[in-house]
Amino acid sequence: DQQVKQNSPSLSVQEGRISILNCDYTNSMFDYFLWYKKYPAEGPTFLISISSIKDKNEDGRFTVFLNKSAKHLSLHIVPSQPGDSAVYFCAASSHGSGNTGKLIFGQGTTLQVKP
Amino acid sequence: EAGVAQSPRYKIIEKRQSVAFWCNPISGHATLYWYQQILGQGPKLLIQFQNNGVVDDSQLPKDRFSAERLKGVDSTLKIQPAKLEDSAVYLCASSPGPNTGEVFFGEGSRLTVL
Repeated sequence: DQQVKQNSPSLSVQEGRISILNCDYTNSMFDYFLWYKKYPAEGPTFLISISSIKDKNEDGRFTVFLNKSAKHLSLHIVPSQPGDSAVYFCAASSHGSGNTGKLIFGQGTTLQVKP
Repeated sequence: EAGVAQSPRYKIIEKRQSVAFWCNPISGHATLYWYQQILGQGPKLLIQFQNNGVVDDSQLPKDRFSAERLKGVDSTLKIQPAKLEDSAVYLCASSPGPNTGEVFFGEGSRLTVL
């Protein structure tokens, strides 16, 4: 049972344009969502997160939007830069009583930003 | 501040052999995780420690995989005997606590089973 899904395996955008990466989840108990970026031969690095009590969080060129009713979140990168080319993972966790806070990851989306 | 350290970075073994991976988390982090990432998939949690106790090992194949964190600091993940499908990157991660949000990952140990 894939609780976190990233249905687009890859995305290609032109430098300077907006990149939109999407993520869907099925477990309504998730209350914290994160995006990680991964370069080849490196571990995932934290990018941005959002709590379920918010619907938007912004950090520089990166903005994450959360739509709880649709169980959907998205990562917007504006403007996109060639250095943003990487695999992006969406992850979710539950922080309530009795939960371990473990991260459940999606399959990843490979973003290519063309110069 | 030093990050999560893992070794070895790469390991090639034949099926039915054994292998061990080591992880040293960020200093002071009580929670340590081992994830398995198979090519083309997202990381999957194998085991989660809180200090030296196991919090979640529901997806650890216990017939061949074992992990320990005896002193509540560094940890070892062992596979014995290895199967072809164990070929993956094994990621160690740590966080200050189980419900503190961000988890910090090491660079991973890539295992190839021939």
